Amino acid sequence: AQRVTQPEKLLSVFKGAPVELKCNYSYSGSPELFWYVQYSRQRLQLLLRHISRESIKGFTADLNKGETSFHLKKPFAQEEDSAMYYCALLSGTYKYIFGTGTRLKVLA
Amino acid sequence: GAVVSQHPSWVICKSGTSVKIECRSLDFQATTMFWYRQFPKQSLMLMATSNEGSKATYEQGVEKDKFLINHASLTLSTLTVTSAHPEDSSFYICSALDDWEQYFGPGTRLTVT
Repeated sequence: AQRVTQPEKLLSVFKGAPVELKCNYSYSGSPELFWYVQYSRQRLQLLLRHISRESIKGFTADLNKGETSFHLKKPFAQEEDSAMYYCALLSGTYKYIFGTGTRLKVLA
Repeated sequence: GAVVSQHPSWVICKSGTSVKIECRSLDFQATTMFWYRQFPKQSLMLMATSNEGSKATYEQGVEKDKFLINHASLTLSTLTVTSAHPEDSSFYICSALDDWEQYFGPGTRLTVT
């Protein structure tokens, strides 16, 4: 079954601390994975795409096929990173499967 | 960047009535649009894939006769919730595909009384 799992509903870290938002997936083919972010009162927007291997706002994510994971990381959290983060899997014919999301709270 | 709008942003309707939600891609053409439903503090649930000029593809468990989708042009898809019930109250989000990237609308909050 195709599935995206984000085990943490809420992650609280202090400003300046490292952040890791976990994402595991289940997919039989070659996965294409994304991280989306939703800031308070704003629409969902793309943060990262694993193929592009970019670093956006200091965030990176590496696809680990052995562990079927695509964890989102940032070495030093900032208050403006507080948001809802969704991991998503693109499953053929442009159908996206979203994880349940993790709310990140960065404390001053 | 690409922008997707939704109208209305919120709507209240009485039980048994129908309500239409519009999703527009403002500066690009979208052959494919998606409709999601989001419950409070939960993830997005894909309801259907809307393809311009053809019938929508509904996800398992989504009633196609209740949630009517029309994608009559490359910039507009509509979702009509027919004979609405209080359990249809939710946040409905659309997205439009530009190449591989999804661009999301701001969402429509539907409350059925």
